[in-house]
Amino acid sequence: LAKTTQPISMDSYEGQEVNITCSHNNIATNDYITWYQQFPSQGPRFIIQGYKTKVTNEVASLFIPADRKSSTLSLPRVSLSDTAVYYCLVGERALYSGGGADGLTFGKGTHLIIQP
Amino acid sequence: DSGVTQTPKHLITATGQRVTLRCSPRSGDLSVYWYQQSLDQGLQFLIQYYNGEERAKGNILERFSAQQFPDLHSELNLSSLELGDSALYFCASSVEGGGAVSEQFFGPGTRLTVL
Repeated sequence: LAKTTQPISMDSYEGQEVNITCSHNNIATNDYITWYQQFPSQGPRFIIQGYKTKVTNEVASLFIPADRKSSTLSLPRVSLSDTAVYYCLVGERALYSGGGADGLTFGKGTHLIIQP
Repeated sequence: DSGVTQTPKHLITATGQRVTLRCSPRSGDLSVYWYQQSLDQGLQFLIQYYNGEERAKGNILERFSAQQFPDLHSELNLSSLELGDSALYFCASSVEGGGAVSEQFFGPGTRLTVL
Protein backbone atom coordinates (compact mmCIF):
# COMPACT_ATOMS: atom_id res chain seq x y z
CA LEU A 1 0.00 0.00 0.00
CA ALA A 2 1.73 3.13 -1.20
CA LYS A 3 0.50 6.27 0.49
CA THR A 4 1.49 9.74 -0.52
CA THR A 5 2.21 12.87 1.46
CA GLN A 6 2.16 16.31 -0.14
CA PRO A 7 2.33 19.83 1.26
CA ILE A 8 -1.12 21.26 1.86
CA SER A 9 -0.34 24.54 0.13
CA MET A 10 2.44 26.52 -1.52
CA ASP A 11 2.77 29.91 -3.08
CA SER A 12 5.13 31.50 -5.53
CA TYR A 13 5.39 34.35 -8.01
CA GLU A 14 4.94 34.60 -11.73
CA GLY A 15 8.00 33.63 -13.71
CA GLN A 16 9.47 31.45 -10.97
CA GLU A 17 10.10 27.72 -11.11
CA VAL A 18 7.92 25.80 -8.68
CA ASN A 19 8.77 22.39 -7.27
CA ILE A 20 6.17 20.30 -5.48
CA THR A 21 7.44 17.22 -3.69
CA CYS A 22 5.44 14.11 -2.94
CA SER A 23 6.63 11.51 -0.44
CA HIS A 24 5.78 7.86 -1.03
CA ASN A 25 8.01 5.85 1.28
CA ASN A 26 6.18 2.57 0.71
CA ILE A 27 6.20 2.65 -3.08
CA ALA A 28 6.19 -0.83 -4.62
CA THR A 29 8.29 -2.14 -7.49
CA ASN A 30 5.41 -2.00 -9.97
CA ASP A 31 4.08 1.40 -8.93
CA TYR A 32 4.10 4.40 -11.24
CA ILE A 33 3.92 8.04 -10.16
CA THR A 34 1.31 10.26 -11.77
CA TRP A 35 0.47 13.93 -11.27
CA TYR A 36 -2.83 15.67 -11.97
CA GLN A 37 -3.85 19.33 -11.94
CA GLN A 38 -7.28 20.60 -10.93
CA PHE A 39 -8.80 24.05 -11.34
CA PRO A 40 -11.81 25.10 -9.24
CA SER A 41 -15.08 23.44 -10.27
CA GLN A 42 -13.34 21.38 -12.97
CA GLY A 43 -12.23 17.78 -13.11
CA PRO A 44 -8.54 16.97 -12.68
CA ARG A 45 -6.29 16.91 -15.72
CA PHE A 46 -3.34 14.56 -16.28
CA ILE A 47 0.01 16.35 -16.22
CA ILE A 48 2.79 13.79 -16.24
CA GLN A 49 3.71 10.24 -15.29
CA GLY A 50 6.98 8.50 -14.56
CA TYR A 51 8.61 5.41 -13.12
CA LYS A 52 12.19 6.48 -12.45
CA THR A 53 14.77 9.20 -13.17
CA LYS A 54 13.38 12.15 -15.09
CA VAL A 55 10.43 12.68 -17.38
CA THR A 56 9.73 15.91 -19.23
CA ASN A 57 6.86 17.06 -21.39
CA GLU A 58 5.66 20.40 -22.68
CA VAL A 59 4.04 21.28 -19.36
CA ALA A 60 6.27 19.98 -16.58
CA SER A 61 9.14 17.79 -15.47
CA LEU A 62 9.04 14.94 -13.01
CA PHE A 63 12.12 14.04 -11.03
CA ILE A 64 12.30 10.66 -9.32
CA PRO A 65 15.39 9.72 -7.27
CA ALA A 66 16.89 6.26 -7.41
CA ASP A 67 15.13 5.04 -4.26
CA ARG A 68 11.78 6.26 -5.67
CA LYS A 69 10.58 7.19 -2.17
CA SER A 70 9.69 10.67 -3.33
CA SER A 71 9.07 12.57 -6.52
CA THR A 72 9.16 16.23 -7.47
CA LEU A 73 6.90 17.93 -9.96
CA SER A 74 8.64 20.91 -11.48
CA LEU A 75 6.69 23.69 -13.18
CA PRO A 76 8.96 26.08 -15.09
CA ARG A 77 8.21 29.79 -15.20
CA VAL A 78 4.75 29.65 -13.65
CA SER A 79 1.99 32.09 -14.47
CA LEU A 80 -1.18 33.09 -12.66
CA SER A 81 -3.05 30.39 -14.58
CA ASP A 82 -0.99 27.71 -12.86
CA THR A 83 -2.87 28.43 -9.64
CA ALA A 84 -4.57 25.10 -8.99
CA VAL A 85 -4.54 21.97 -6.85
CA TYR A 86 -1.91 19.38 -7.75
CA TYR A 87 -2.33 15.70 -6.89
CA CYS A 88 0.28 12.99 -6.69
CA LEU A 89 -0.86 9.40 -7.28
CA VAL A 90 1.16 6.24 -6.80
CA GLY A 91 -0.10 2.89 -8.00
CA GLU A 92 0.39 -0.10 -10.22
CA ARG A 93 -1.35 -1.11 -13.35
CA ALA A 94 -4.60 -2.84 -12.38
CA LEU A 95 -4.88 -5.84 -14.65
CA TYR A 96 -7.43 -7.77 -12.68
CA SER A 97 -10.67 -7.24 -10.90
CA GLY A 98 -10.21 -6.06 -7.36
CA GLY A 99 -6.79 -4.55 -7.84
CA GLY A 100 -5.68 -0.98 -8.16
CA ALA A 101 -8.03 0.87 -5.84
CA ASP A 102 -5.23 2.02 -3.55
CA GLY A 103 -3.49 3.84 -6.35
CA LEU A 104 -6.56 5.94 -7.07
CA THR A 105 -6.32 7.94 -3.86
CA PHE A 106 -6.23 11.60 -4.87
CA GLY A 107 -6.65 12.99 -1.37
CA LYS A 108 -6.54 16.75 -0.86
CA GLY A 109 -3.53 17.57 -3.00
CA THR A 110 -1.32 20.67 -2.86
CA HIS A 111 -2.94 24.06 -3.30
CA LEU A 112 -0.52 26.13 -5.39
CA ILE A 113 -1.13 29.86 -5.44
CA ILE A 114 0.76 32.02 -7.91
CA GLN A 115 0.96 35.71 -7.20
CA PRO A 116 1.79 38.53 -9.61
CA ASP B 1 -13.22 19.64 -23.29
CA SER B 2 -12.13 16.17 -22.19
CA GLY B 3 -14.76 14.34 -24.24
CA VAL B 4 -16.39 12.93 -21.12
CA THR B 5 -19.94 14.10 -20.53
CA GLN B 6 -21.90 14.07 -17.30
CA THR B 7 -25.55 14.82 -16.66
CA PRO B 8 -27.11 16.59 -14.93
CA LYS B 9 -24.74 19.45 -14.20
CA HIS B 10 -26.59 20.42 -11.04
CA LEU B 11 -28.99 18.45 -8.90
CA ILE B 12 -30.83 19.62 -5.81
CA THR B 13 -32.85 17.15 -3.83
CA ALA B 14 -34.05 16.37 -0.34
CA THR B 15 -32.78 13.97 2.28
CA GLY B 16 -33.99 10.42 1.87
CA GLN B 17 -34.36 10.69 -1.88
CA ARG B 18 -32.66 8.70 -4.62
CA VAL B 19 -30.82 10.14 -7.63
CA THR B 20 -28.99 8.82 -10.67
CA LEU B 21 -25.96 10.47 -12.19
CA ARG B 22 -25.00 9.63 -15.74
CA CYS B 23 -21.62 9.54 -17.45
CA SER B 24 -20.66 9.00 -21.07
CA PRO B 25 -16.96 8.19 -21.53
CA ARG B 26 -14.75 9.38 -24.35
CA SER B 27 -15.23 7.50 -27.58
CA GLY B 28 -13.14 4.34 -27.44
CA ASP B 29 -12.54 4.41 -23.68
CA LEU B 30 -13.48 1.17 -21.99
CA SER B 31 -13.01 2.16 -18.37
CA VAL B 32 -15.08 4.50 -16.22
CA TYR B 33 -14.22 5.81 -12.77
CA TRP B 34 -16.42 7.62 -10.26
CA TYR B 35 -15.15 10.10 -7.68
CA GLN B 36 -16.71 12.21 -4.95
CA GLN B 37 -15.22 15.56 -4.02
CA SER B 38 -16.20 17.42 -0.89
CA LEU B 39 -14.45 20.26 0.90
CA ASP B 40 -13.46 18.23 3.93
CA GLN B 41 -12.57 14.90 2.25
CA GLY B 42 -10.90 15.97 -0.95
CA LEU B 43 -11.23 13.83 -4.07
CA GLN B 44 -12.28 10.33 -3.08
CA PHE B 45 -12.30 7.35 -5.44
CA LEU B 46 -15.60 5.45 -5.39
CA ILE B 47 -15.59 2.73 -8.03
CA GLN B 48 -14.17 1.72 -11.41
CA TYR B 49 -15.68 -0.29 -14.25
CA TYR B 50 -13.90 -1.79 -17.20
CA ASN B 51 -15.87 -2.95 -20.21
CA GLY B 52 -19.00 -3.53 -18.15
CA GLU B 53 -17.42 -5.23 -15.17
CA GLU B 54 -16.43 -3.83 -11.81
CA ARG B 55 -12.62 -3.47 -11.69
CA ALA B 56 -11.89 -1.67 -8.42
CA LYS B 57 -13.85 -0.43 -5.46
CA GLY B 58 -12.90 2.44 -3.20
CA ASN B 59 -14.72 4.31 -0.46
CA ILE B 60 -18.18 3.74 -1.84
CA LEU B 61 -21.04 3.60 0.63
CA GLU B 62 -23.53 0.74 0.58
CA ARG B 63 -26.25 3.29 -0.25
CA PHE B 64 -24.41 4.00 -3.49
CA SER B 65 -24.23 1.69 -6.48
CA ALA B 66 -23.03 1.94 -10.05
CA GLN B 67 -23.05 0.05 -13.29
CA GLN B 68 -21.61 0.27 -16.77
CA PHE B 69 -23.87 -0.56 -19.66
CA PRO B 70 -23.07 -2.36 -22.95
CA ASP B 71 -22.72 0.99 -24.72
CA LEU B 72 -20.11 1.82 -22.03
CA HIS B 73 -21.97 4.69 -20.42
CA SER B 74 -22.20 4.49 -16.66
CA GLU B 75 -24.66 5.47 -13.97
CA LEU B 76 -24.05 6.17 -10.31
CA ASN B 77 -27.09 5.65 -8.11
CA LEU B 78 -27.24 7.38 -4.74
CA SER B 79 -30.07 6.41 -2.39
CA SER B 80 -31.35 7.42 1.05
CA LEU B 81 -29.51 10.67 0.57
CA GLU B 82 -28.06 12.49 3.55
CA LEU B 83 -26.87 16.06 3.94
CA GLY B 84 -23.29 14.80 3.93
CA ASP B 85 -23.71 13.42 0.42
CA SER B 86 -23.70 16.95 -0.94
CA ALA B 87 -20.61 17.08 -3.11
CA LEU B 88 -19.22 17.31 -6.61
CA TYR B 89 -19.30 13.92 -8.34
CA PHE B 90 -16.81 13.34 -11.13
CA CYS B 91 -16.69 10.66 -13.74
CA ALA B 92 -13.48 9.87 -15.58
CA SER B 93 -12.65 7.50 -18.38
CA SER B 94 -9.54 5.85 -19.77
CA VAL B 95 -8.76 3.70 -22.75
CA GLU B 96 -7.61 0.80 -20.64
CA GLY B 97 -8.49 -0.31 -17.15
CA GLY B 98 -5.08 0.22 -15.64
CA GLY B 99 -6.31 2.32 -12.73
CA ALA B 100 -3.66 4.66 -11.40
CA VAL B 101 -1.39 4.02 -14.37
CA SER B 102 -3.96 4.88 -17.01
CA GLU B 103 -4.36 8.51 -18.02
CA GLN B 104 -7.83 9.45 -16.90
CA PHE B 105 -9.97 12.08 -18.60
CA PHE B 106 -12.40 13.75 -16.25
CA GLY B 107 -15.84 15.07 -17.00
CA PRO B 108 -17.16 18.44 -15.79
CA GLY B 109 -18.84 16.89 -12.76
CA THR B 110 -22.33 16.86 -11.27
CA ARG B 111 -22.89 19.11 -8.29
CA LEU B 112 -25.31 17.43 -5.89
CA THR B 113 -26.95 19.43 -3.15
CA VAL B 114 -29.02 17.59 -0.55
CA LEU B 115 -31.34 19.82 1.47
